[in-house]
Amino acid sequence: SQQGEEDPQALSIQEGENATMNCSYKTSINNLQWYRQNSGRGLVHLILIRSNEREKHSGRLRVTLDTSKKSSSLLITASRAADTASYFCATEIRGAQKLVFGQGTRLTINP
Amino acid sequence: EAGVTQFPSHSVIEKGQTVTLRCDPISGHDNLYWYRRVMGKEIKFLLHFVKESKQDESGMPNNRFLAERTGGTYSTLKVQPAELEDSGVYFCASSQVGVASRAPGLRTSYGYTFGSGTRLTVV
Repeated sequence: SQQGEEDPQALSIQEGENATMNCSYKTSINNLQWYRQNSGRGLVHLILIRSNEREKHSGRLRVTLDTSKKSSSLLITASRAADTASYFCATEIRGAQKLVFGQGTRLTINP
Repeated sequence: EAGVTQFPSHSVIEKGQTVTLRCDPISGHDNLYWYRRVMGKEIKFLLHFVKESKQDESGMPNNRFLAERTGGTYSTLKVQPAELEDSGVYFCASSQVGVASRAPGLRTSYGYTFGSGTRLTVV
């Protein structure tokens, strides 16, 4: 299976609720990154967490990383309609100068 | 500084035709990457240039795809002949070797910056 698998594949919640997306990977990494893609448009970098970090915050985003379980989670608090997008985790594999993306989670925020 | 620019933003072609996508990386970035997202699936790595050389082309799907980066500046990705399954969004990214990120936003540990993508539709 693919490095960087996201779970769930689709998530639909009400505006104001929190959204949690998970990502698992298989190999040793330098860092793990989360990206957003709106309506088939470009990729927007959200947050990066290094392999020696366990948690990171940026505005309404909170990312955790558990290297022992090779997993990460992205929490979006107080969701807004504008958060509707596809979210991808990407791992920068140790020793390789490239990112490996997962399949993504399609997040829909209902007004 | 200017970001990564991709052209065109959207292309609709018929099966069997040829399409050429272009990517202008950030000036001075030696690394240039092509990725694509097909049919709502995962974003897949296609290839990686270091300057004008192909460092890793393990993700290129078949010989209908040809990527070039003459002179180590902009890159083109040609699909010839295009097939229906080539439809998707093609992303380009560039980075500078060994540049560590100190700020949130578009840059990452190796300074990856993505373009806005080219949406290719083959009909």
